[in-house]
Amino acid sequence: GESVGLHLPTLSVQEGDNSIINCAYSNSASDYFIWYKQESGKGPQFIIDIRSNMDKRQGQRVTVLLNKTVKHLSLQIAATQPGDSAVYFCAEKPLDGSEKLVFGKGMKLTVNP
Amino acid sequence: EPEVTQTPSHQVTQMGQEVILRCVPISNHLYFYWYRQILGQKVEFLVSFYNNEISEKSEIFDDQFSVERPDGSNFTLKIRSTKLEDSAMYFCASSNRDEQYFGPGTRLTVT
Repeated sequence: GESVGLHLPTLSVQEGDNSIINCAYSNSASDYFIWYKQESGKGPQFIIDIRSNMDKRQGQRVTVLLNKTVKHLSLQIAATQPGDSAVYFCAEKPLDGSEKLVFGKGMKLTVNP
Repeated sequence: EPEVTQTPSHQVTQMGQEVILRCVPISNHLYFYWYRQILGQKVEFLVSFYNNEISEKSEIFDDQFSVERPDGSNFTLKIRSTKLEDSAMYFCASSNRDEQYFGPGTRLTVT
């Protein structure tokens, strides 16, 4: 079956440090991956996405890395700020014509000042 | 910046009652979705809607659930007879391609 999971349930970092959030996925047929950020009481907020034909994609302070060999996805946040504190979810879209996103459980990032 | 909106933010209902959760997707989007998140658990897909019909639904989306796009802007999720286990955050999302934008959610509490 398909599943997406996160290695670490919580991560605590100091302000200014770089953060790395990891995610494992099991559906090798997935074509598209997304990272979402969810702050308390809010809906998932799109951060960055990557297609399976890419290994790396950079945004503003964020980088997503995709390793299809080991079915691993990571989100790197540079110079982490207190405003980055949230729960982060990875999600995948299988390459079967489905429009649904399959979400991982989520990992809480806490940035200490 | 356009955003998905949802009302109400919190709905409390008694078991067996019908509820309608409302969403206004981003105006030029063509695909609409409902997801739910039980407290402390993953976000789960319920249903997708395209071209005025359901394009996909999960096993959670049984006969108690229905969706409708009654006009050009609203997208609703109806639960006909709520159960205690329907208590969750319900998120609406919309997209044109892959990138799905989520609303702030409706917290449904069934007592």
